Amino acid sequence: AQRVTQPEKLLSVFKGAPVELKCNYSYSGSPELFWYVQYSRQRLQLLLRHISRESIKGFTADLNKGETSFHLKKPFAQEEDSAMYYCALSNSGGSYIPTFGRGTSLIVHP
Amino acid sequence: GAVVSQHPSRVICKSGTSVKIECRSLDFQATTMFWYRQFPKQSLMLMATSNEGSKATYEQGVEKDKFLINHASLTLSTLTVTSAHPEDSSFYICSGVVTEAFFGQGTRLTVV
Repeated sequence: AQRVTQPEKLLSVFKGAPVELKCNYSYSGSPELFWYVQYSRQRLQLLLRHISRESIKGFTADLNKGETSFHLKKPFAQEEDSAMYYCALSNSGGSYIPTFGRGTSLIVHP
Repeated sequence: GAVVSQHPSRVICKSGTSVKIECRSLDFQATTMFWYRQFPKQSLMLMATSNEGSKATYEQGVEKDKFLINHASLTLSTLTVTSAHPEDSSFYICSGVVTEAFFGQGTRLTVV
């Protein structure tokens, strides 16, 4: 069975501080990992996915298969980063059925 | 990216009545759509997987007779909350998946 664990329910930092949202997964095959974000009063949307290896809004995430992790990082947090972040896993076999973590609420204080 | 439209965005209904929520994929065909329930500051709880032309697959603990799902076309899935009660008040979200999940804007259901 596939599972996504986000150990932190809430992460609170000050503006300019580094931020790391943790995500660990369990999956027997070759997974695709995603980070989704939900800003206040907006719909959930994709932030980034591991296969694209890109930085979005200053965020990066590296898939570490040895540690089965996909932590989301940003070196300098901004107030507008405050949101709910969900790590998700999909099987790479083509059906893309996602499994979501419980989410981490990031609050960036001025 | 693909667009999923969910309607209504907000509904208030009386206890005992039924409410239908629509989820449309506007620019892609979705043979599978997902229905979630989201609690405040908490995760998405997958309720069911909606399959076009066949029965929905419900997650454990979700009453299929209470949450009726119909997926009659490749662009429309509906969730009907039957005989709604105050404990059904929640935020319901649908999504369709292409190579990533695209979400509707959600429906805030309040049962009074």
